[in-house]
Amino acid sequence: TQLLEQSPQFLSIQEGENLTVYCNSSSVFSSLQWYRQEPGEGPVLLVTVVTGGEVKKLKRLTFQFGDARKDSSLHITAAQPGDTGLYLCAGVSQGGKLIFGQGTELSVKP
Amino acid sequence: GAVVSQHPSRVICKSGTSVKIECRSLDFQATTMFWYRQFPKQSLMLMATSNEGSKATYEQGVEKDKFLINHASLTLSTLTVTSAHPEDSSFYICSARVQSTEAFFGQGTRLTVV
Repeated sequence: TQLLEQSPQFLSIQEGENLTVYCNSSSVFSSLQWYRQEPGEGPVLLVTVVTGGEVKKLKRLTFQFGDARKDSSLHITAAQPGDTGLYLCAGVSQGGKLIFGQGTELSVKP
Repeated sequence: GAVVSQHPSRVICKSGTSVKIECRSLDFQATTMFWYRQFPKQSLMLMATSNEGSKATYEQGVEKDKFLINHASLTLSTLTVTSAHPEDSSFYICSARVQSTEAFFGQGTRLTVV
């Protein structure tokens, strides 16, 4: 069974601080995705990383895929209250299923 | 991006009744749809994979007779929660995928069983 361990599960920081969320697995995934979810809504895709060692940037968000394609990280620079939400990593298995991590509940206080 | 519409967004039903949730791909044909369940502040748990024209594949621990899935067309999958009980109260989310491309998520359905 493929599992994704996401950490931390809860994070409360002040506006302007930096943070990193980690997503680790003992399994190799063909690709890995990061989502952001607002309360009462479905997840919205932020990025898909496919190649081992890949780094993608989306404004203040930086995503990395580990060389072995087993882990990934999301780094947010100078967090803002608008970044508050549930961040989910999801590995794409060979069967095409999305295996989700436990999620990180981020709260950015002004 | 593609749009997946889920209906209803909220539903309250009495214990013992059945509730049907619809998931539609509005501007594309989805060969595969997925149904997830999510508890407050927790991640999405995959319940089943629905392929158009064939039986759904349920994840371990999910009762197929309780959570009936029908994927009768390339744009519609339905999840029926039969004989609902308060412990079935949850946020149900569908996603639709076209072959190997990314999956698009619906807005979710908040089910409350009273």
